Amino acid sequence: EDQVTQSPEALRLQEGESSSLNCSYTVSGLRGLFWYRQDPGKGPEFLFTLYSAGEEKEKERLKATLTKKESFLHITAPKPEDSATYLCAVPNSGGGADGLTFGKGTHLIIQP
Amino acid sequence: ETGVTQTPRHLVMGMTNKKSLKCEQHLGHNAMYWYKQSAKKPLELMFVYNFKEQTENNSVPSRFSPECPNSSHLFLHLHTLQPEDSALYLCASSLTGTANTEAFFGQGTRLTVV
Repeated sequence: EDQVTQSPEALRLQEGESSSLNCSYTVSGLRGLFWYRQDPGKGPEFLFTLYSAGEEKEKERLKATLTKKESFLHITAPKPEDSATYLCAVPNSGGGADGLTFGKGTHLIIQP
Repeated sequence: ETGVTQTPRHLVMGMTNKKSLKCEQHLGHNAMYWYKQSAKKPLELMFVYNFKEQTENNSVPSRFSPECPNSSHLFLHLHTLQPEDSALYLCASSLTGTANTEAFFGQGTRLTVV
């Protein structure tokens, strides 16, 4: 069974204080790993897709990296507007089934 | 604006009511999904439609009934729900039903069952 575990569950940082969020996964054949951002009361907003170990992608203050067992979302010099829940997901691998398996997310708070 | 629109945004219904959630996507995608998001739990996949055909029913109770009349529209019909069904219901779409394409989500319907 596919599993996605995110840590920490919650993280509080000062503005400008860089850190990393972790997503570890267990799947039978990775077919991509997705990062989303979710603001309260809204749907998840797509950020990145990573397909192979060693791959990196960047967007503004965010950089996502991937190894064979985990992915990191690095946040450099964050601002209060980066406060959100960050979700990690992998495609379901059960016999051609579609859809994503999500982690519980990391609730990130950036204090001014 | 994500290209995926859900209505209504909020819904309060009694346990004996019948209601429907609507999702429309303007992205030209061929696959559509329903997810349930409850507090302290990860998003749970409910149903998958690929080219209007249902390809996944993730052991969802029969009080939830999906309908996909075309590739752009998806409905979730609700009847005789329980209070534990209160949650954020999210619709998503992707270009194809295979797993290697990004899924884009609507803003969700916040459902409260009283």
